Amino acid sequence: DTEVTQTPKHLVMGMTNKKSLKCEQHMGHRAMYWYKQKAKKPPELMFVYSYEKLSINESVPSRFSPECPNSSLLNLHLHALQPEDSALYLCASSQEASTGYNEQFFGPGTRLTVL
Amino acid sequence: AQKITQTQPGMFVQEKEAVTLDCTYDTSDPSYGLFWYKQPSSGEMIFLIYQGSYDQQNATEGRYSLNFQKARKSANLVISASQLGDSAMYFCAMRGMNTNAGKSTFGDGTTLTVKP
Repeated sequence: DTEVTQTPKHLVMGMTNKKSLKCEQHMGHRAMYWYKQKAKKPPELMFVYSYEKLSINESVPSRFSPECPNSSLLNLHLHALQPEDSALYLCASSQEASTGYNEQFFGPGTRLTVL
Repeated sequence: AQKITQTQPGMFVQEKEAVTLDCTYDTSDPSYGLFWYKQPSSGEMIFLIYQGSYDQQNATEGRYSLNFQKARKSANLVISASQLGDSAMYFCAMRGMNTNAGKSTFGDGTTLTVKP
C-alpha cells in the first residue's frame, strides 16, 4: 500500500479557531514531513519527523504545532493563523530521513483557507 | 547549500511526441539523490523517477527517463509518447546525504501542457 492519506481535503477556518490536519501512512516509513505550498510555487519544508522525533523545524511560527503520536500518524495543530497561512499543506513520508537515496511519497494535501 | 534550477516555466508538446524538461542542480554534498515529481491540478505530488548520484546508468520508469549528466550537473526528465494526462506541473528535487539529509530542495517547476 503506497499511499499517504490526509484529512480533511479542504478546511476553512477563522483566525481565532483551533484545528488540526491529519496524515497517515502504512508503508512502515520512519520519516514523515509537513510541507506548505502556495499556488504555482514549489513546496516549502516545514517539519521533519524521524523515528517519531522532530528532527527539523524550518523556523516555522509557533502557531503551527506538529505532533507524531506514532510511526504511522502525523498531525499539524493550527491556532491563531493568519490569512497568509492559506495554502496547500502536504504531508509526505519516506523510508528514512537521514539519506537522500529514497523517494518521498506525498499525500493529496489539505487546502487551507484562513479568513 | 543545495539549489535546483528549472529554466522552463511552461512547455507545450503535441500528443504522442517526446518532451524534455530541464533541471540543473548545485550542491556541496558528495552524494545525493535526484527526483522528479508530477503535480496535477488536483494538488497531489506524484513521484515519477529517481537517480542516485553514484548510479552509472540513467534511470528509466516506463515512459519516463532521466538524462543524468553529472559533470554538467543536469538531470533532465524525458517523457516519451506524451499523453493528455501528462499535462501538469513538474518539479525537480534533490536530497543530500550529509549536511542536507532529510531536506528536499525543489525547483520552481515547469508547467507542461500536452496539446491534442
